[in-house]
Amino acid sequence: DAKTTQPPSMDCAEGRAANLPCNHSTISGNEYVYWYRQIHSQGPQYIIHGLKNNETNEMASLIITEDRKSSTLILPHATLRDTAVYYCIPGSQGNLIFGKGTKLSVKP
Amino acid sequence: DSGVTQTPKHLITATGQRVTLRCSPRSGDLSVYWYQQSLDQGLQFLIQYYNGEERAKGNILERFSAQQFPDLHSELNLSSLELGDSALYFCASSLQPTSGGALYEQYFGPGTRLTVT
Repeated sequence: DAKTTQPPSMDCAEGRAANLPCNHSTISGNEYVYWYRQIHSQGPQYIIHGLKNNETNEMASLIITEDRKSSTLILPHATLRDTAVYYCIPGSQGNLIFGKGTKLSVKP
Repeated sequence: DSGVTQTPKHLITATGQRVTLRCSPRSGDLSVYWYQQSLDQGLQFLIQYYNGEERAKGNILERFSAQQFPDLHSELNLSSLELGDSALYFCASSLQPTSGGALYEQYFGPGTRLTVT
């Protein structure tokens, strides 16, 4: 499985876009990039995933670079309830390998 | 609400004891995963079942075991408990484990907080 590098923490003002980067330079061709988040000791929550193309759903957008070595999760209008630890997880097998993630703090 | 249920929510027990954690997956999901989250180790994959069969093993101790029943619910058994087993235990479910290189998104339950004293 590919290793990831994420900033340990980020701040974002409420209402602004939150852009969370992830480096996964060792990702293999069949590995998708998954993003999950965990809000204070709750069960992790699936956000979005992608392989090559950019993806968007009701929660977020995912931008994957052409060489697939990095990606950015975008929360377009962050709210206080988006404060959480965000995990970027490349994978193609059944189990998720969680790293340390990025602790996003959304401030009023 | 993810649709995954876990019982009990909290469990306090003594060292050396044995406990069973229970998980009911989302309706229609055939695959169940167990994860452990402790303060020093973060979220770690323990074991996966698909339609009653063990599919993958992670960092699961020999003192721990799991099974998935015909009705697809799963139980995680922890025995000879040690202080270091105190953690949050999450169960997740997905439709299938993998398909053509893509793993289906997993839906996590609220967790069981185990405290070993």
